[in-house]
Amino acid sequence: DVKVTQSSRYLVKRTGEKVFLECVQDMDHENMFWYRQDPGLGLRLIYFSYDVKMKEKGDIPEGYSVSREKKERFSLILESASTNQTSMYLCASSSYGYTFGSGTRLTVV
Amino acid sequence: GQQVMQIPQYQHVQEGEDFTTYCNSSTTLSNIQWYKQRPGGHPVFLIQLVKSGEVKKQKRLTFQFGEAKKNSSLHITATQTTDVGTYFCAGLHNTDKLIFGTGTRLQVFP
Repeated sequence: DVKVTQSSRYLVKRTGEKVFLECVQDMDHENMFWYRQDPGLGLRLIYFSYDVKMKEKGDIPEGYSVSREKKERFSLILESASTNQTSMYLCASSSYGYTFGSGTRLTVV
Repeated sequence: GQQVMQIPQYQHVQEGEDFTTYCNSSTTLSNIQWYKQRPGGHPVFLIQLVKSGEVKKQKRLTFQFGEAKKNSSLHITATQTTDVGTYFCAGLHNTDKLIFGTGTRLQVFP
């Protein structure tokens, strides 16, 4: 089974902190994605990557950046966390369907 | 921009009743995928439909893709408490970017 692992299940950070969310997949997938999930808004795409060192903006990239130095790892970076970035963050990788990680619930206080 | 609308937002049913969720896209889709997210869990891929008018079944679940490839539905026959969760459709547009619907949360009462 494809496994997508997100490093933290829960995180609490202060406003203005730089936050790193890590995601690792073990099936050699080229495509990786970062979504945030908020009640009533569904899943919204932040950034995605189709290859190492390649990144594309999704629908809501503002306030975020990403890094893909290795094929298996896709990191989401909040340069200066704000309270409106409190959310559930989901990483996914894909070949056929998407396989999601368990999510990181980030609270910015 | 590209949007995928899903209705209803919530559905409460008695165990044994049927359930349907509908998905509509503003543009033609290359394919449509369906996911299930259990409470407290993450979305899990169920199925992908590619062809116009395609119908696929998984036990009590029936998935349809519209003739115009702009809408889809998921029908569950005789719901069980294990069906509880949020069901998302996700449409793939030409950009290879999946656009998720807002989801339908299903609650099943025993």
